[in-house]
Amino acid sequence: DAGITQSPRHKVTETGTPVTLRCHQTENHRYMYWYRQDPGHGLRLIHYSYGVKDTDKGEVSDGYSVSRSKTEDFLLTLESATSSQTSVYFCAITDYPSYNEQFFGPGTRLTVL
Amino acid sequence: GNSVTQMEGPVTLSEEAFLTINCTYTATGYPSLFWYVQYPGEGLQLLLKATKADDKGSNKGFEATYRKETTSFHLEKGSVQVSDSAVYFCALEHRDDKIIFGKGTRLHILP
Repeated sequence: DAGITQSPRHKVTETGTPVTLRCHQTENHRYMYWYRQDPGHGLRLIHYSYGVKDTDKGEVSDGYSVSRSKTEDFLLTLESATSSQTSVYFCAITDYPSYNEQFFGPGTRLTVL
Repeated sequence: GNSVTQMEGPVTLSEEAFLTINCTYTATGYPSLFWYVQYPGEGLQLLLKATKADDKGSNKGFEATYRKETTSFHLEKGSVQVSDSAVYFCALEHRDDKIIFGKGTRLHILP
């Protein structure tokens, strides 16, 4: 199994508070992704990174920011959490030559009250 | 733009039944196609893929054939097991570095 961990695995927070989710990989893969999974929507890309300090927006990036200061860590921050951000968040990684084969972490279940 | 449409679930079958989960796509060019599986409480994992027209991907008894003429990539298995209960996602490659996922189909297999 690809070495990907996510922390925390579960979090309950209140509306308006900042939240940071962490994805850590031991595979030295360049590409990292944050998705959210919601019933009826499948997986939607929030942000992704193609290297240290290189990030870009996905289809549902509003209300989220990311940072990648080291190859192994990709942080997702909700600056001011809202109830609509209650979701399960997945991190994924990939690299050459199989860019299209993504390996997923176990997920973080976030509840915003 | 590129998109994936898969049959809505849940799909409930008895053990040893034949499984088909339909998937169609819209894309420019000829992107690679995938099926990912998500077991309860876990992240997604790649089940199979096909990189060009008429290719057949297969793994763990599952198969899917890349049909350009019908823009389809239906997932099939001849005899399902209880352990196949999961959510299945059809997906396509979008550019070189992103994947577009369908909404997922939940499969329940009854013993």
